[in-house]
Amino acid sequence: DVVMTQSPLSLPVTLGQPASISCRSSQSLVNSDGNTYLNWFQQRPGQSPRRLIYKVSNRDSGVPDKFSGSGSGTDFTLKISRVETEDVGVYYCMQGTHWPFTFGQGTRLDI
Amino acid sequence: EVQLVESGGGLVQPGGSLRLSCAASGFTFSAYWMSWVRQSPGKGLQCVANIKEDGSEKNYVDSVKGRFTISRDNAKNSVYLQMNSLRAEDTAVYYCVTTARGCESWGQGTLVTVSS
Repeated sequence: DVVMTQSPLSLPVTLGQPASISCRSSQSLVNSDGNTYLNWFQQRPGQSPRRLIYKVSNRDSGVPDKFSGSGSGTDFTLKISRVETEDVGVYYCMQGTHWPFTFGQGTRLDI
Repeated sequence: EVQLVESGGGLVQPGGSLRLSCAASGFTFSAYWMSWVRQSPGKGLQCVANIKEDGSEKNYVDSVKGRFTISRDNAKNSVYLQMNSLRAEDTAVYYCVTTARGCESWGQGTLVTVSS
């Protein structure tokens, strides 16, 4: 199985400051169709996960542009340009290229 | 608006069975792969199974192969997860999720607890 490794696992941030989460996969996530199926999710306390980013850098509808995704191959990053109170929660990366699709351990962001 | 409503969770003894259901609305159900993803404190998020739009292709994570069966009824806009021979390590919140590779939209989840 593809192992997804996130860092850091805990991310204390100051309001208004940027934040960055790294995600590395144990093998390339480039699919035979040319797409790279790397997604980012936010899970607020007591809620279901919500997808923020799909295929590395595409923001989902309704996701603020302060969230951005980048990377290629095996190295990926989620950035939040200015952290707000509503961003508190756990962030997960997930690969959808190789079955079984797998998630990172999660990064807990708090203020 | 996409809505996914899971049901069927509960407390079951080891070796027992449960059938989870997911009622979908707000999108063309028959045009999407569907997935079940579970979340437990010990193992985080795990993709358990997925099923193609017409039900002709199914995938399972190794730990549930031979015990769980995913199915769908496009006429009822529903997807199911039949879980047999349940083990303590199957204890988790089970989410119904649209698509497979993208895990686009999630239900609120249903809790399955396997314990004697």
